[in-house]
Amino acid sequence: SQELEQSPQSLIVQEGKNLTINCTSSKTLYGLYWYKQKYGEGLIFLMMLQKGGEEKSHEKITAKLDEKKQQSSLHITASQPSHAGIYLCGADTGGTSYGKLTFGQGTILTVHP
Amino acid sequence: NAGVTQTPKFQVLKTGQSMTLQCAQDMNHNSMYWYRQDPGMGLRLIYYSASEGTTDKGEVPNGYNVSRLNKREFSLRLESAAPSQTSVYFCASTWSQSVGQPQHFGDGTRLSIL
Repeated sequence: SQELEQSPQSLIVQEGKNLTINCTSSKTLYGLYWYKQKYGEGLIFLMMLQKGGEEKSHEKITAKLDEKKQQSSLHITASQPSHAGIYLCGADTGGTSYGKLTFGQGTILTVHP
Repeated sequence: NAGVTQTPKFQVLKTGQSMTLQCAQDMNHNSMYWYRQDPGMGLRLIYYSASEGTTDKGEVPNGYNVSRLNKREFSLRLESAAPSQTSVYFCASTWSQSVGQPQHFGDGTRLSIL
């Protein structure tokens, strides 16, 4: 099974609706990074979480890391067409993987006007 | 504000041909990475360079070689391209390979091998 699982794989919402994307790890997360990717482009860094229970927000996007540091969620409030794209979580699980990221499969978000 | 620049953006090769993908960053970063992105599999690390003069294998290194030419440049070489190497390749860099340092990505190279 994958070390890092994202859900859902795809999401279609109406503009103005709230949505949540989850990222679950089989290992303790020493760093969790959220990225957004538009088709045909590179990854844009959104937020980074390190501490259990940590929560960060930027504009209408909020990311949280649970207390056990094995699950993160990305929440978008009042979605807009500009939020559409692929959201990826990347995890540093420490140990021999220290400083290297493992990525989830990505969540494809479509926002209908 | 170039950030991470990858060339070429698109390439079509025939099986058995060789090619080098170029990556350069202008952020004075120490660590650089090469990933491939395939549908349904996220990004997988091919090789990385924690600092100038060092390179190490990632998750999927077979069929690839890398060169950290200097602090700015990190190239990825396919010696004998195979159809299984059809993918989108991303280069990334970060200040240092330690927790708390986000990686910055280029726009990718779309590679098709016939």
